[in-house]
Amino acid sequence: NAGVMQNPRHLVRRRGQEARLRCSPMKGHSHVYWYRQLPEEGLKFMVYLQKENIIDESGMPKERFSAEFPKEGPSILRIQQVVRGDSAAYFCASSPQMTYNEQFFGPGTRLTVL
Amino acid sequence: GQQLNQSPQSMFIQEGEDVSMNCTSSSIFNTWLWYKQDPGEGPVLLIALYKAGELTSNGRLTAQFGITRKDSFLNISASIPSDVGIYFCAGQDPQETSGSRLTFGEGTQLTVNP
Repeated sequence: NAGVMQNPRHLVRRRGQEARLRCSPMKGHSHVYWYRQLPEEGLKFMVYLQKENIIDESGMPKERFSAEFPKEGPSILRIQQVVRGDSAAYFCASSPQMTYNEQFFGPGTRLTVL
Repeated sequence: GQQLNQSPQSMFIQEGEDVSMNCTSSSIFNTWLWYKQDPGEGPVLLIALYKAGELTSNGRLTAQFGITRKDSFLNISASIPSDVGIYFCAGQDPQETSGSRLTFGEGTQLTVNP
């Protein structure tokens, strides 16, 4: 029973490039969440998605960041024109249903912007 | 938005000692979760709490959901070296729909000396 999968685990980009982070939820989970973690800090919510729908994007920066969870395939967090301040660990979590909020996390993608 | 104050920030203990850490919130939560994060990995869910006053155990771990719904604590008994890591509390805001974002504390870094 595979857990939440994220790739790549490490991603290096130069300023101005695009970063694409992928997340495959646990089998049977239809809710996906993205969080960002800066060094020495806790996780900060970014966006909550269900299949083909963005439910809550209140934690997403207004520009350059977007997320999707298509009918088929993984969820994608896309960061356009990256800047050094985007360097962080990005975690995806999934949950099975709306009744309980037990979110299970993937191993994260560590983004470094040069 | 919601804020969680987690304390202590760090703890240095001897193997075999008991540990206690807690989180307080400026307003109520309807779900409290405790996670452990190892270096370079994603958070792993330890305990989930759903009712005010609820006391739940998972092996050597015990957590409680405060009666006021504004706080929670985590105890670890008879610590062992593999307990080393960062422990995070997380809460779900009752104003949000079920299955939405978690608010995380800043973490407690635990070091266990053999």
